[in-house]
Parts: sequence; structure tokens; C-alpha cells
Amino acid sequence: KNEVEQSPQNLTAQEGEFITINCSYSVGISALHWLQQHPGGGIVSLFMLSSGKKKHGRLIATINIQEKHSSLHITASHPRDSAVYICAVTSGDSNYQLIWGAGTKLIIKP
Amino acid sequence: AAGVIQSPRHLIKEKRETATLKCYPIPRHDTVYWYQQGPGQDPQFLISFYEKMQSDKGSIPDRFSAQQFSDYHSELNMSSLELGDSALYFCASSRGGPDEQFFGPGTRLTVL
Repeated sequence: KNEVEQSPQNLTAQEGEFITINCSYSVGISALHWLQQHPGGGIVSLFMLSSGKKKHGRLIATINIQEKHSSLHITASHPRDSAVYICAVTSGDSNYQLIWGAGTKLIIKP
Repeated sequence: AAGVIQSPRHLIKEKRETATLKCYPIPRHDTVYWYQQGPGQDPQFLISFYEKMQSDKGSIPDRFSAQQFSDYHSELNMSSLELGDSALYFCASSRGGPDEQFFGPGTRLTVL
């Protein structure tokens, strides 16, 4: 079983829809990261969370430490949000290297 | 704001050749991480450095070596290249601890 599990693997939605991507992890973590990878490869860090909730523009990330679960929400989705969204965690045991989820490929249709 | 710089952005090599990838972290970042992402694969952690010392080692082949220099830039040296080494190599930097990792644009290595 992977240490970081994401769902869904693929998601296609219409422009304007509310998007939720889920992440569950099985290891002790010091932080959870949401990353965005566009076609062509560039990786952008969206959020780093250790508790609670963060919001940046149309993006919202939440984490429940007790349940070992995090969600990434996108409100009023737009075709430019189309990308792979990756959940990754850092564990103090591993000197803070990222343990990656498999990613969720999101396509927003106009 | 300054970002993580990687060079070169693209590199084409023949089998059995060597390659050197460079990573320049964000100013005042003391930790560098290297990741390898094969086609259609998740990024795999290779190695990390904190304050010029190796801090963690992942799935880095023995043919690869890396170091972090006094100015905190890092180099990944790859020898006896194989076709399977073709991948996107990302460098990330942070200010140590569980701080946010900022990623470079990656170096796309193609081994022919």
C-alpha cells in the first residue's frame, strides 16, 4: 500500500464547477504539501499544511491530522486549472524529503 | 522574487556518457533536494543536502553522485548513462526543516 494515496486519479469537469481532490496518508508527517504540475513538467508548490486550512485565491486546502486526510478544493474552476495535482508529505524521519502521491490529472473543459 | 535555477534545461547524451546537472537554490535556502521523474512516473527522491552535508539518500544509483558547494548550489553527476536515466530531474530548495520546498523548472535528460 502506498504511503500517500490520492483520489480520484483522473477528473474531468466543466468550467465553473467546484473541484475536490482527496489525499490520505499512512505515515507520521511534519507537513503535507499540495503541488501543481503542468504539462511540460514544471512543479509549483501550492500549499504547505501542518494543521487546519489555507486559502489562496480560488484554492483551498484543508488537513485533518487525526484522520490523516487532506483535501484540495478549487472553486469556480477554469481551463487554466488543468494540470496534475500532487499531494506529498514530509516526514521528520526522512529528513523532510517529499513522499509523493500518484497525482490527480484534472481537466477543466470550457 | 528569485526562484530555484536549474541548468541546463535540456540535455541530450549518448549511452555511457556522463552528465552534470546544476541547481542554484533560492538565496538563504540551505537545503537542496534532487528528484527524478521518469515518463509517466511519480517523482522519486534521489538525495538531499543540508548545509553542504548529505542529509538523506533515496533511490540514487551508485553511478550518480552529488554534492552541495559552499555557495549552496548543488551538482548531480551522472556517469555511465543508461537509456533508463532519461527523465526529468527536479531540484528543490528549502530553509531546512519541514519548510516549504520550492522547485526548479527541471532538467530534461534524454539518453540516446
